[in-house]
Formats: sequence, C-alpha cells, structure tokens
Amino acid sequence: AQTVTQSQPEMSVQEAETVTLSCTYDTSENNYYLFWYKQPPSRQMILVIRQEAYKQQNATENRFSVNFQKAAKSFSLKISDSQLGDTAMYFCAFMKHVASGGSNYKLTFGKGTLLTVNP
Amino acid sequence: SQTIHQWPATLVQPVGSPLSLECTVEGTSNPNLYWYRQAAGRGLQLLFYSIGIGQISSEVPQNLSASRPQDRQFILSSKKLLLSDSGFYLCAWKKIGNTIYFGEGSWLTVV
Repeated sequence: AQTVTQSQPEMSVQEAETVTLSCTYDTSENNYYLFWYKQPPSRQMILVIRQEAYKQQNATENRFSVNFQKAAKSFSLKISDSQLGDTAMYFCAFMKHVASGGSNYKLTFGKGTLLTVNP
Repeated sequence: SQTIHQWPATLVQPVGSPLSLECTVEGTSNPNLYWYRQAAGRGLQLLFYSIGIGQISSEVPQNLSASRPQDRQFILSSKKLLLSDSGFYLCAWKKIGNTIYFGEGSWLTVV
C-alpha cells in the first residue's frame, strides 16, 4: 500500500518570505501523480499544484513550485512571497491507477502541515 | 464548465438515526466519484469510490454505505448513525487529466 508522510505538523513563516513544506511517499509504482492541496479554514479542499511522475521538470504555479525527486520519493512544496491568505492546512497526496482495463485512480493523503503566515 | 456540489452543508443527527449525503457533478459524464471523511485531527480517509452507475468499491468496513443511482450522482448513507461517524465528509470527482477535485464538504455531528 502507498503511504504519504508529511513530517512537519505545523510551520510558520513571515509574510513575503519563502517556506518549504516536506513530503515523502512510498510506492513500488513507476507511473503515478503527486499533488498538493490547500485546506483553508473554510475546509474547502483546493488543488494547489500537480506533478506527473514521468515528467522530470518540476511543476510551477505562480508562487508555488515543487521539488520532485523521484529516486528519493520526495515531493516538497515551496511557497514564495508568502501571503496571509496562504494560511491553511496543506496536504500532500499520491495517486495511482488501481484497476487494469479501467480508469479508476485512488488518492492517498498525508496527514497535513498547518502553515501559518504571520504579518 | 464542470462543477461538483454536495449537500447538506451541515447536519446534526441523533445516534441511531439514518443519514443521506448527496453529491452531484455537472458538466461531464461518467466521472469517477469518491467519498472521503476527515475526522477531528486532520487526515482524509477514502471511504468509497465508484467508476460507474451501480459500481461501488468500499475501502474500509464501517457503518456507512454508498450508492450511485445515476451517472453523476453519488450518495453516502447510513441506516443507524454512531457517534464515531461524526466528521467532515468530502465528495470528489476525477477530471480528465487525472486530477481529483472536491466539493464544498458536509459537516456531520452525531449527538
């Protein structure tokens, strides 16, 4: 079974600074997807960024970027120029295909990192 | 555009009462659908997933069940709620491109 580990239960950063959230995963698969989701106090689960395992280039979405190290099974999220609105719980997630001949994929989450951006 | 909705947003139910949470997806056909639960703490646990009408897979044995009576409708049910069923329930669907998007969530408090 796949496991996703986020070793930092809580982190804080000053507004405008950069912060990196860590994530490691365990799998024997070669083809899979990795995600970072953000859950603000509203509890809505919002996709932040997505990475396909077959792509060597790290994904980037505006102030958010990842450092994907496939051999090390590491997938960290870097937030640049942190803003107060970035305060949220951040979840790392792993997705793989679970059924041959079909299109079913299953998402497994880490336990999350609570990020607080201080003014 | 594709959207996902779930309701009710908040529910307070007594122990032993039935439950029905509903989720619908618009703007797409034959989506993969999922129910997750987030208990107090933080982690998300996959409860059920469905790849088509009437096709339900359960991830963990529990007091809940799921049904998919129509292509874009996914229902989470219980005949008799337990205190341990309290939590935040999230419906989700898989979009082409292999990304999963979530609904707004439903808070369930069993008293």
